[in-house]
Order: sequence, then C-alpha cells, then structure tokens
Amino acid sequence: AQKVTQAQTEISVVEKEDVTLDCVYETRDTTYYLFWYKQPPSGELVFLIRRNSFDEQNEISGRYSWNFQKSTSSFNFTITASQVVDSAVYFCALSEAGAGTASKLTFGTGTRLQVTL
Amino acid sequence: DTEVTQTPKHLVMGMTNKKSLKCEQHMGHRAMYWYKQKAKKPPELMFVYSYEKLSINESVPSRFSPECPNSSLLNLHLHALQPEDSALYLCASSHDSGQNNSPLHFGNGTRLTVT
Repeated sequence: AQKVTQAQTEISVVEKEDVTLDCVYETRDTTYYLFWYKQPPSGELVFLIRRNSFDEQNEISGRYSWNFQKSTSSFNFTITASQVVDSAVYFCALSEAGAGTASKLTFGTGTRLQVTL
Repeated sequence: DTEVTQTPKHLVMGMTNKKSLKCEQHMGHRAMYWYKQKAKKPPELMFVYSYEKLSINESVPSRFSPECPNSSLLNLHLHALQPEDSALYLCASSHDSGQNNSPLHFGNGTRLTVT
C-alpha cells in the first residue's frame, strides 16, 4: 500500500522568509509519480509539479523549488522569499503506475502555510 | 480561472431532497473524477470515469450516483443524503493516455451542506 506523510500540519512565517514543506512517501513500486498541489482558501486544488521516480533532478520554478531524494523517499518543496499570496494548504500526492489508465492519487494530509506581513 | 467548471458553488439540501452537482471541462480530457473533501482533510477519491465509462468506484454509498453524459460533462446525483455527507465536492479531469502521470486539473468545488 502506498502512503504519503506530511508531518507539518501548520507553518507560520513572516513574508520574505524561506520555508520548506516536507513530504515523505512509501510505495512498493519502482515506477511512480509524485505531485504537489496548492489549495488556496477559494477551494480549488492547483497543480504545481509532477515528478516521476526515474527523474531525481531537482527543479526550480521562480520562487518554488523541489528536492526529490529517492534514498530517503522524500519530495520536499521550498518557497523562497515567501509572500502573503502563498498562504494556502499544500498537498503532496503519490500515483503508482499500473493502477489503471486514470490517475489514482494518494494525498498526504496537507500542510497549512500562513504567511504574514 | 480554473478550466474545470463546477456548479453550483454552494448547495444546502435536506435529507429528503434530490439534487445534482455538475462539472464541465473543455480541455479534451478523457478521465474525470469526483473527490470529497471534509474540513482540514485531504481529498478522498469517490469515482473515476475513463472514456465516459465508470472505471473506479471507491465503495461509495448508493445515495451518490455519478453520471457521465459525454466526455465534457460529469454529474453527481444526490439523494437521501446524511448530515455527515456535508463536504466540499471536487471535480477533476486529466488526460487519459494509459499512464498514471497525468496531473489532475480541479474545479473550485461545490460546498454542500446537508441539513
């Protein structure tokens, strides 16, 4: 069975601070996919990034960066110079290959990020 | 703005009512999903449609009845719900290319209250 753990329930930072959201996953598959989604107060989940299990390159997109380490089964997400608009709940999710043609995601419990002035 | 549109945004219904949630996407996606999300919890998968056929039902009670009239539309028919069914109901869609790496695109959700 697959599992995603986001140990940080809530994080509060002051604007312009850097913040890292942790994600640890468990799976028996060798091929799998990892995702991060952002859920602002408005409710919709916004797709941020997808990473497959064979690609351990870290990725940077503007103020966002992701650190994927298979050795520790972690896929951490860092926001540099946080802004108030970054305030949201962030979900890490895992999808295993071979579960069917559609994507069946296992979500972590989410980390609520509060950025204040 | 999200490319997956859900209506209504809010719905209050009694336990004897029948109502429907609607979802529409025009991205050419062939997989569509219903998720249920309780407060401060992650989304939980309810149903998946792939090429307009129900492919996954996560043991959802029969008072929830999904329908996929065509590749762009997904409905969720509600009947005889319980107060504990109150939640945010999220619709999503994705490319269905035979792989499980297609990101899901979510709508804004319908916030349902059962009284």
